[in-house]
Amino acid sequence: DTEVTQTPKHLVMGMTNKKSLKCEQHMGHRAMYWYKQKAKKPPELMFVYSYEKLSINESVPSRFSPECPNSSLLNLHLHALQPEDSALYLCASSQEWTSGGANEQFFGPGTRLTVL
Amino acid sequence: QKEVEQNSGPLSVPEGAIASLNCTYSDRGSQSFFWYRQYSGKSPELIMFIYSNGDKEDGRFTAQLNKASQYVSLLIRDSQPSDSATYLCAVRSIIQGAQKLVFGQGTRLTINP
Repeated sequence: DTEVTQTPKHLVMGMTNKKSLKCEQHMGHRAMYWYKQKAKKPPELMFVYSYEKLSINESVPSRFSPECPNSSLLNLHLHALQPEDSALYLCASSQEWTSGGANEQFFGPGTRLTVL
Repeated sequence: QKEVEQNSGPLSVPEGAIASLNCTYSDRGSQSFFWYRQYSGKSPELIMFIYSNGDKEDGRFTAQLNKASQYVSLLIRDSQPSDSATYLCAVRSIIQGAQKLVFGQGTRLTINP
Protein backbone atom coordinates (compact mmCIF):
# COMPACT_ATOMS: atom_id res chain seq x y z
CA ASP A 1 0.00 0.00 0.00
CA THR A 2 1.70 3.18 -1.20
CA GLU A 3 -1.20 5.52 -0.68
CA VAL A 4 -2.02 8.40 1.60
CA THR A 5 -5.78 8.85 2.00
CA GLN A 6 -7.62 11.95 3.17
CA THR A 7 -11.22 12.54 4.16
CA PRO A 8 -13.37 14.33 3.37
CA LYS A 9 -12.57 15.32 -0.23
CA HIS A 10 -14.57 18.53 0.12
CA LEU A 11 -15.71 20.44 3.19
CA VAL A 12 -17.82 23.56 3.51
CA MET A 13 -18.07 25.09 6.97
CA GLY A 14 -19.22 28.25 8.64
CA MET A 15 -16.97 30.40 10.78
CA THR A 16 -18.54 29.07 13.99
CA ASN A 17 -18.31 25.39 13.08
CA LYS A 18 -15.92 22.77 14.41
CA LYS A 19 -14.75 20.16 11.92
CA SER A 20 -11.86 17.74 11.48
CA LEU A 21 -9.76 16.62 8.54
CA LYS A 22 -8.40 13.08 8.57
CA CYS A 23 -5.34 11.52 6.98
CA GLU A 24 -4.20 7.90 6.96
CA GLN A 25 -1.19 6.03 5.61
CA HIS A 26 -0.13 2.39 5.84
CA MET A 27 3.39 2.65 4.47
CA GLY A 28 5.03 2.41 7.88
CA HIS A 29 6.11 6.05 7.67
CA ARG A 30 6.90 7.71 10.98
CA ALA A 31 6.73 11.32 9.77
CA MET A 32 3.49 13.01 8.74
CA TYR A 33 2.81 16.51 7.53
CA TRP A 34 0.02 19.04 7.01
CA TYR A 35 0.32 21.57 4.21
CA LYS A 36 -1.98 24.36 3.08
CA GLN A 37 -2.16 25.31 -0.59
CA LYS A 38 -3.93 28.36 -1.96
CA ALA A 39 -4.81 28.64 -5.64
CA LYS A 40 -1.80 29.10 -7.95
CA LYS A 41 0.58 28.96 -4.97
CA PRO A 42 2.91 26.20 -3.77
CA PRO A 43 2.12 24.09 -0.71
CA GLU A 44 3.06 25.77 2.58
CA LEU A 45 4.08 23.62 5.50
CA MET A 46 1.89 23.88 8.60
CA PHE A 47 2.88 21.02 10.93
CA VAL A 48 5.27 18.09 11.08
CA TYR A 49 4.82 15.04 13.30
CA SER A 50 7.74 12.72 13.87
CA TYR A 51 7.14 9.49 15.80
CA GLU A 52 3.70 10.83 16.79
CA LYS A 53 5.20 13.94 18.37
CA LEU A 54 4.79 17.46 17.03
CA SER A 55 8.20 18.50 15.70
CA ILE A 56 7.44 21.61 13.67
CA ASN A 57 4.66 24.18 13.98
CA GLU A 58 5.11 26.90 11.39
CA SER A 59 3.47 29.55 13.57
CA VAL A 60 0.02 28.35 12.56
CA PRO A 61 -2.95 30.10 14.27
CA SER A 62 -4.47 28.15 17.14
CA ARG A 63 -7.75 27.75 15.26
CA PHE A 64 -5.89 24.87 13.56
CA SER A 65 -5.14 22.06 15.99
CA PRO A 66 -3.24 18.97 14.81
CA GLU A 67 -3.39 15.56 16.40
CA CYS A 68 -1.50 12.33 15.72
CA PRO A 69 -3.36 9.50 17.53
CA ASN A 70 -1.00 6.81 16.20
CA SER A 71 1.67 6.29 13.57
CA SER A 72 -0.87 5.81 10.76
CA LEU A 73 -3.31 8.60 11.49
CA LEU A 74 -3.13 12.38 11.41
CA ASN A 75 -6.00 14.75 12.15
CA LEU A 76 -6.42 18.48 11.77
CA HIS A 77 -9.11 19.98 13.99
CA LEU A 78 -10.65 23.21 12.74
CA HIS A 79 -12.48 25.78 14.84
CA ALA A 80 -13.55 29.38 14.26
CA LEU A 81 -11.95 29.54 10.84
CA GLN A 82 -11.93 32.61 8.64
CA PRO A 83 -12.87 32.81 4.93
CA GLU A 84 -9.18 33.35 4.10
CA ASP A 85 -8.51 29.86 5.46
CA SER A 86 -10.28 28.41 2.42
CA ALA A 87 -7.67 26.31 0.61
CA LEU A 88 -6.59 22.80 -0.33
CA TYR A 89 -5.26 21.03 2.75
CA LEU A 90 -2.71 18.38 1.94
CA CYS A 91 -1.41 15.58 4.12
CA ALA A 92 1.91 13.90 3.37
CA SER A 93 4.02 11.16 4.90
CA SER A 94 7.62 10.00 4.68
CA GLN A 95 10.18 7.84 6.35
CA GLU A 96 11.97 9.56 9.19
CA TRP A 97 15.01 11.34 7.74
CA THR A 98 17.35 9.53 10.11
CA SER A 99 16.53 6.25 8.37
CA GLY A 100 18.74 7.27 5.46
CA GLY A 101 17.85 7.52 1.79
CA ALA A 102 15.76 10.14 0.08
CA ASN A 103 12.86 9.98 2.56
CA GLU A 104 10.65 11.46 -0.09
CA GLN A 105 7.25 12.80 0.92
CA PHE A 106 4.11 11.30 -0.59
CA PHE A 107 1.00 13.44 -0.71
CA GLY A 108 -2.61 12.52 -0.22
CA PRO A 109 -5.31 13.85 -2.60
CA GLY A 110 -6.16 16.74 -0.29
CA THR A 111 -9.30 18.19 1.26
CA ARG A 112 -10.78 21.21 -0.49
CA LEU A 113 -12.00 23.46 2.34
CA THR A 114 -14.37 26.37 1.89
CA VAL A 115 -15.12 28.64 4.86
CA LEU A 116 -18.26 30.75 4.50
CA GLN B 1 15.57 36.63 -1.62
CA LYS B 2 13.20 33.67 -1.75
CA GLU B 3 14.59 30.37 -0.54
CA VAL B 4 13.63 28.50 -3.70
CA GLU B 5 13.06 30.29 -6.98
CA GLN B 6 11.47 29.08 -10.19
CA ASN B 7 10.30 30.84 -13.30
CA SER B 8 6.51 30.75 -12.96
CA GLY B 9 6.03 30.50 -16.73
CA PRO B 10 3.91 29.63 -18.50
CA LEU B 11 6.46 27.63 -20.46
CA SER B 12 5.14 26.43 -23.80
CA VAL B 13 6.90 23.55 -25.59
CA PRO B 14 5.90 21.71 -28.77
CA GLU B 15 5.09 18.02 -28.49
CA GLY B 16 8.17 15.84 -28.90
CA ALA B 17 10.61 18.59 -27.86
CA ILE B 18 12.66 18.83 -24.65
CA ALA B 19 11.15 20.84 -21.82
CA SER B 20 13.70 22.41 -19.46
CA LEU B 21 12.62 23.54 -15.99
CA ASN B 22 14.97 25.41 -13.70
CA CYS B 23 15.22 26.09 -9.99
CA THR B 24 17.71 27.96 -7.80
CA TYR B 25 18.00 27.82 -4.03
CA SER B 26 19.58 30.09 -1.45
CA ASP B 27 20.74 27.73 1.32
CA ARG B 28 24.18 26.47 0.31
CA GLY B 29 23.90 23.70 2.90
CA SER B 30 20.86 22.11 1.25
CA GLN B 31 21.42 18.46 0.41
CA SER B 32 18.25 17.00 -1.10
CA PHE B 33 16.08 18.22 -3.94
CA PHE B 34 12.76 17.03 -5.28
CA TRP B 35 10.64 17.61 -8.35
CA TYR B 36 6.87 17.27 -8.05
CA ARG B 37 4.27 17.44 -10.79
CA GLN B 38 0.85 18.88 -9.98
CA TYR B 39 -2.11 18.69 -12.32
CA SER B 40 -4.82 21.30 -11.88
CA GLY B 41 -7.05 20.42 -8.93
CA LYS B 42 -4.85 17.49 -7.89
CA SER B 43 -2.15 16.97 -5.26
CA PRO B 44 1.59 17.03 -5.95
CA GLU B 45 3.07 13.81 -7.32
CA LEU B 46 6.77 13.05 -6.85
CA ILE B 47 8.67 12.69 -10.11
CA MET B 48 12.29 12.60 -9.05
CA PHE B 49 14.72 13.38 -6.28
CA ILE B 50 18.42 14.10 -6.47
CA TYR B 51 21.14 14.71 -3.89
CA SER B 52 24.40 14.16 -5.75
CA ASN B 53 25.97 16.60 -8.19
CA GLY B 54 25.43 15.63 -11.80
CA ASP B 55 22.59 14.02 -13.70
CA LYS B 56 20.03 11.45 -12.68
CA GLU B 57 17.85 9.86 -15.33
CA ASP B 58 14.50 8.08 -15.01
CA GLY B 59 12.76 7.32 -18.27
CA ARG B 60 12.02 10.58 -20.09
CA PHE B 61 13.01 12.64 -17.05
CA THR B 62 16.50 13.84 -16.12
CA ALA B 63 17.26 15.81 -12.99
CA GLN B 64 20.46 17.84 -12.88
CA LEU B 65 22.11 19.25 -9.76
CA ASN B 66 24.94 21.75 -9.47
CA LYS B 67 25.55 22.53 -5.81
CA ALA B 68 28.32 25.04 -6.54
CA SER B 69 25.86 27.13 -8.55
CA GLN B 70 22.92 26.24 -6.26
CA TYR B 71 20.96 25.16 -9.27
CA VAL B 72 18.74 22.18 -9.98
CA SER B 73 16.89 21.46 -13.20
CA LEU B 74 14.46 18.97 -14.70
CA LEU B 75 14.54 17.96 -18.35
CA ILE B 76 11.60 16.21 -19.96
CA ARG B 77 12.46 14.52 -23.24
CA ASP B 78 9.92 13.72 -25.95
CA SER B 79 7.35 15.95 -24.24
CA GLN B 80 3.76 14.74 -24.36
CA PRO B 81 0.53 16.70 -23.90
CA SER B 82 0.01 14.69 -20.70
CA ASP B 83 3.14 16.40 -19.30
CA SER B 84 1.20 19.68 -19.20
CA ALA B 85 1.10 20.56 -15.49
CA THR B 86 2.74 22.73 -12.86
CA TYR B 87 6.18 21.50 -11.82
CA LEU B 88 7.26 22.23 -8.26
CA CYS B 89 10.89 22.25 -7.16
CA ALA B 90 11.36 21.49 -3.46
CA VAL B 91 14.42 21.70 -1.24
CA ARG B 92 14.65 19.76 1.99
CA SER B 93 16.09 21.06 5.22
CA ILE B 94 16.28 19.42 8.63
CA ILE B 95 14.87 21.50 11.47
CA GLN B 96 14.55 20.33 15.05
CA GLY B 97 15.21 16.78 13.91
CA ALA B 98 12.41 16.79 11.34
CA GLN B 99 12.26 17.25 7.59
CA LYS B 100 10.93 20.40 6.05
CA LEU B 101 10.27 20.86 2.33
CA VAL B 102 10.34 24.38 0.94
CA PHE B 103 8.72 24.69 -2.46
CA GLY B 104 9.37 27.09 -5.28
CA GLN B 105 6.43 28.93 -6.81
CA GLY B 106 6.14 26.29 -9.54
CA THR B 107 6.49 26.49 -13.32
CA ARG B 108 3.38 25.99 -15.41
CA LEU B 109 4.27 23.87 -18.44
CA THR B 110 2.09 23.50 -21.52
CA ILE B 111 2.91 20.96 -24.23
CA ASN B 112 1.36 21.93 -27.54
CA PRO B 113 0.28 19.08 -29.86
